Amino acid sequence: NAGVTQTPKFRILKIGQSMTLQCTQDMNHNYMYWYRQDPGMGLKLIYYSVGAGITDKGEVPNGYNVSRSTTEDFPLRLELAAPSQTSVYFCASSRGQGVWTEAFFGQGTRLTVV
Amino acid sequence: DAKTTQPNSMESNEEEPVHLPCNHSTISGTDYIHWYRQLPSQGPEYVIHGLTSNVNNRMASLAIAEDRKSSTLILHRATLRDAAVYYCILRDNEGGAGSYQLTFGKGTKLSVIP
Repeated sequence: NAGVTQTPKFRILKIGQSMTLQCTQDMNHNYMYWYRQDPGMGLKLIYYSVGAGITDKGEVPNGYNVSRSTTEDFPLRLELAAPSQTSVYFCASSRGQGVWTEAFFGQGTRLTVV
Repeated sequence: DAKTTQPNSMESNEEEPVHLPCNHSTISGTDYIHWYRQLPSQGPEYVIHGLTSNVNNRMASLAIAEDRKSSTLILHRATLRDAAVYYCILRDNEGGAGSYQLTFGKGTKLSVIP
């Protein structure tokens, strides 16, 4: 059981370039999330999805886009990379939204924008 | 989600118990107390959660004060693998967009001394 898988693990982008961070989960979870973590800080929610075809903004959505065409996949798109987007990105999933459910996180993608 | 306060760092000797405190004086009656930890270069992982009663699982125990304004995560026998940042998080059961996200603070960095 792979859980939540993120690719790539590392990436360096030049300012203005675009890229897609991939996230897939094999637990048949309806709820998926994208977080970013800046050095020495906690995680901040970028976008979340409650099921295929449904997405919504989190705390820090500017500069990002998401889509959810299948239950398994939840890619995060950066259109015009900026240095402020240098961070570690974590994808997560959960079976439900209830406050008693646990979230499962991927290993993260470390992105540097130069 | 209501705010939590944790010490920035703690140390423990290997094979000794560790008590990680968390203050949440503004907790509401519907807030669940969750703990996650983040090992170096990994995504966060769920540890335990509770509402009012003390809770035990294979990883740890959660002791909740009678007035619920504080809680303590107990690792019964610290190992080197337990060295991580531990996050205490309150999750609101009232629903709405905020119930989807986990609000991570800076957490407590636990160092385990061999």
